[in-house]
This record gives sequence, C-alpha cells and structure tokens, in this order.
Amino acid sequence: NAGVTQTPKFQVLKTGQSMTLQCAQDMNHEYMSWYRQDPGMGLRLIHYSVGAGITDQGEVPNGYNVSRSTTEDFPLRLLSAAPSQTSVYFCASRSTLAGVETQYFGPGTRLLVL
Amino acid sequence: GDSVTQMEGPVTLSEEAFLTINCTYTATGYPSLFWYVQYPGEGLQLLLKATKADDKGSNKGFEATYRKETTSFHLEKGSVQVSDSAVYFCALSMDSSYKLIFGSGTRLLVRP
Repeated sequence: NAGVTQTPKFQVLKTGQSMTLQCAQDMNHEYMSWYRQDPGMGLRLIHYSVGAGITDQGEVPNGYNVSRSTTEDFPLRLLSAAPSQTSVYFCASRSTLAGVETQYFGPGTRLLVL
Repeated sequence: GDSVTQMEGPVTLSEEAFLTINCTYTATGYPSLFWYVQYPGEGLQLLLKATKADDKGSNKGFEATYRKETTSFHLEKGSVQVSDSAVYFCALSMDSSYKLIFGSGTRLLVRP
C-alpha cells in the first residue's frame, strides 16, 4: 500500500494562474478530504467527499473546486490563484474499522502564489 | 460551533524531561479525540486517539485521557527524546460528521 499520495510536492504560481493538486489513495476509502495548513491556524477543511460522485464544501471552500470520479482520486483545482492561497495543502482519506475512525494524511503540497 | 484549543508553543524541553501539552475542546455532543504529530517536512500522522469519556489513548510512550468533566485531552510523555521534536495537533470529530476539527498546533523542541 502506498497510502495517500500527493503531487506535486512544491509549486510556484503567478496570480491568476490555475492548477490542479493531485491526490490518490489505494486503501479503497470512501471518504477523502482536502485541508490547508497556515501558520498558527492548524488545518482547515476545504472540501470533502463521501464517495465517488459526491462532494461537499468544508470551512474554507472559496477559490477551490473538487471532483470525485473514482474512489481512488480526489483532485483539488485552483481556478485563479491568489496570494492568499499560499499554503501547505494536505489530502486525507478516512477508514472506519470496528466503528473507530482513522484519517490518513498525504505528505502535503507546498504552494506559493506570487 | 465545535472547537479545539491548544497551548501555544513553542515548548522547549531538555531530553528526558516530562512533557504536557494541554488541549481542551468545545463540542455539542460526544466527540472522538485525537492527537496527530507532524515531523519536519512531513504530513500528519495519527499518534493516539480516544473515543469515549475516561478512555486513555497511548502510543510511543505518549498518553492522553479523555476527560469529559473538564473537556480536556492533554498529551503527556514521561521522558521526551530529541526525536520527539515535532508539531503536535489536537483534534476532534463528531460521530455524525466526517470532519476533523484541529487545534492550532504546538511545536515541541527537545534539546540534547
């Protein structure tokens, strides 16, 4: 199992550019999510998905789109990058074994918007 | 709304010192509670968890007890090592929600 993988590891964008952050998991988890991590603020939920074809907004969804066409993949799209989107982005997937949840995080994508 | 409050860092300790990182929560129901650790340059890893009051989660020498009466989930370790240097996040999730709510994180620096 590779777990949760994310690409790229690091990206520099100019204001107004668009890009897609990739996330994949090979654990057959239904639930996946995207967080951003900013200094002093912990992690904040951007979007999440409870299964293929189903997505919903989290705490800070503005400026981001997601889709979930397969169980494995959950890409995050920045439509028009802004400096406020400079952050570290983490993808996670969730398992529930014996009624206990565990979330697995990817290694993160560091994004700098100039 | 539901929230998690952690003590601010950084916390700087000498090797073999006792560690406590405070965490309190506010929730309308009965959450599950978690501690995650983030080593430099890496993603978050689940350190330990507790799903009901008075449960004690433990892993790698770290412990935390779910205290409903004080709405707390403090992280402790009896003797820290340099390799424990990392950022520690307290988090909660509600049974009816898939979402994790995180505290702001506490950076721990252990010096030899």
